[in-house]
Amino acid sequence: DFQMTQSPSTLSASVGDRVTITCRASQSISSGLAWYQQKPGKAPKLLIYKASTLESGVPSRFSGSGSGTEFTLTISSLQPDDFATYYCQQEWTFGQGTKVEIK
Amino acid sequence: EVQLVESGGGLVQPGGSLRLSCAASGFIFSDYEMNWVRQAPGKGLEWISEITSDSEMEYYAESVKGRFTISRDNAKKLLYLQLNSLRPEDTAVYYCARERPCGDDCYFDAFDLWGRGTLVSVSS
Repeated sequence: DFQMTQSPSTLSASVGDRVTITCRASQSISSGLAWYQQKPGKAPKLLIYKASTLESGVPSRFSGSGSGTEFTLTISSLQPDDFATYYCQQEWTFGQGTKVEIK
Repeated sequence: EVQLVESGGGLVQPGGSLRLSCAASGFIFSDYEMNWVRQAPGKGLEWISEITSDSEMEYYAESVKGRFTISRDNAKKLLYLQLNSLRPEDTAVYYCARERPCGDDCYFDAFDLWGRGTLVSVSS
């Protein structure tokens, strides 16, 4: 079965920190990966698509990289509004999620 | 306004049925494949079903195959999910989501538009 393995599951960080979240696919998916941000009680919000393309309206401190089986989401300077849970996705499969908490 | 609005959730007993609806507005609904994604309380996102733009193909997660049925009415701009033989583990917020077309030589783009979700609770 195809799987997406996301790490870490929880991340404690401070405002201004550089944060990196990793997603690994069990088989190559080229650049077919999206990243979402979700806040409690809200629907997921698209941040990055095709592994590295920033969705319109998303702040430039968010970036994505990778292809094949290894992908990363980076927040260059964490802002108060960024404390949330982040998910990677390859169409029918989501990663387990990474909760970014205040340190 | 471009949006998706789900409805039809509620409390149902184990073994019962529900029909969820998702109303689309502000875009050409018939151009897009559509999906249902659910999220159990305190848990992550789980994709459960997809339907092609012309209703020709339907896809399901193993966890719901044979119990849930996806459908759409392009004239009414509505997406549906029929939930049968419900179990307590089906308790979740159910989201409809639009899949952006990917084009040639492309594995996947993204789910670029989501509704706010509708809560389904399965309990006796």
